[in-house]
Amino acid sequence: QVQLQESGPGLVEPSQTLSLTCTVSSGSITTGAKYWSWIRQNPGKGLEWIGHISYSGSPYYNSSLASRLTMSVDTSKNQFSLKLSSVTAADTAVYYCAGGSDTSKVDFWGQGTLVTVSS
Amino acid sequence: DVVMTQSPLSLPVTLGQAASISCRSSQSVTYSDGIAYLSWFQQRPGQSPRRLIYKASHRDSGVPDRFSGSGSGTDFTLTISRVEAEDVGIYYCMQGTYWPPVTFGQGTRLEIK
Repeated sequence: QVQLQESGPGLVEPSQTLSLTCTVSSGSITTGAKYWSWIRQNPGKGLEWIGHISYSGSPYYNSSLASRLTMSVDTSKNQFSLKLSSVTAADTAVYYCAGGSDTSKVDFWGQGTLVTVSS
Repeated sequence: DVVMTQSPLSLPVTLGQAASISCRSSQSVTYSDGIAYLSWFQQRPGQSPRRLIYKASHRDSGVPDRFSGSGSGTDFTLTISRVEAEDVGIYYCMQGTYWPPVTFGQGTRLEIK
């Protein structure tokens, strides 16, 4: 069973760049899933799909965030990453990484990491 | 974007009773291959979401058979035949047919009366 673990700063200052990494374990990033996603959950709110990337590196972004987003994959480290620039308080959320297949796009999730945007 | 609308948003249920959650999409999420790429997730308090159902009616491995999914086109239902205490949490539907973006419903909070 592939496991996912998010890592990165828990506090980011407004206007700075939020950077998170998801480490894939008990499996390979090239075979463990077809789509590697980022999803966020604002405090007390629902789920928002941020985007996903395949292991070959083709990303798809939510258009509402696309101008500030960069996703990448590092197959040598079995990791994929998220960068969100020019953050505001509205970007405060629990960020989840997830893996998915063609059956669902989102099949399994990491534990999530809380990122707070504040000075 | 495909908008997913769940109802009810809050669902108080007596232990042992049945519960149903509705999920409606703003357009059909049944793809040209005849498959609705509609999933249901359970998020227990303090945990990350866990998938219960995929392709509208296929139950994931390890999911109790009291959970079932049905529907096609724009109307889908998650049914719990006999609610247990461990079922407390928030349930989300999600469509992965027409993307980007993948879209989620607002969530339905299930609680025990």
